[in-house]
Amino acid sequence: DQQVKQNSPSLSVQEGRISILNCDYTNSMFDYFLWYKKYPAEGPTFLISISSIKDKNEDGRFTVFLNKSAKHLSLHIVPSQPGDSAVYFCAASRESTIQGAQKLVFGQGTRLTINP
Amino acid sequence: NAGVTQTPKFRVLKTGQSMTLLCAQDMNHEYMYWYRQDPGMGLRLIHYSVGEGTTAKGEVPDGYNVSRLKKQNFLLGLESAAPSQTSVYFCASSYSRDRGDYEQYFGPGTRLTVT
Repeated sequence: DQQVKQNSPSLSVQEGRISILNCDYTNSMFDYFLWYKKYPAEGPTFLISISSIKDKNEDGRFTVFLNKSAKHLSLHIVPSQPGDSAVYFCAASRESTIQGAQKLVFGQGTRLTINP
Repeated sequence: NAGVTQTPKFRVLKTGQSMTLLCAQDMNHEYMYWYRQDPGMGLRLIHYSVGEGTTAKGEVPDGYNVSRLKKQNFLLGLESAAPSQTSVYFCASSYSRDRGDYEQYFGPGTRLTVT
């Protein structure tokens, strides 16, 4: 039961253009969403997040959009740069049965390649 | 600050052998987590801890045990390794969600191969 899905395993974008990465989820209990970026042989690093009570959050070149009725979120990167080439994971958060702890459920990841 | 560190970086085990993976964090986080990542799949939660001496099962706990004797350390043990446990293991730590801080900070990973 894949609660968080990233249906595009890979995406190739020209430098300077917009990159759009998509993520779908099924569990209505998720109340916070995060995007992580991962380079080879490194751990994931946090990129941007959004609360379920918002529909947009922007941080520099990165914007995350949330469509709660469609259970869909997307990450927009504009303009795309060669250093953005990495694997991007969408993650959804809900509180665990223990107060204060959270469980992150990750999508499969999308490998983004920015071509010069 | 070193953040989250993991030891070792790489390990090869034979089926049936045991080992312990060590995770350490210097951010004074209450919560710590162990994930595994397999090809074509996202990270999956194995076990997590909400404080010293307190642990809980995640999504894929079978075949693993954990201990948190000190706030800064979280150990993941494999008592009898199986080829299905070949994976990359990530440790993470975080503050409580109640603080409004949802980010988990990840270590660099341990690549484990079981033959």
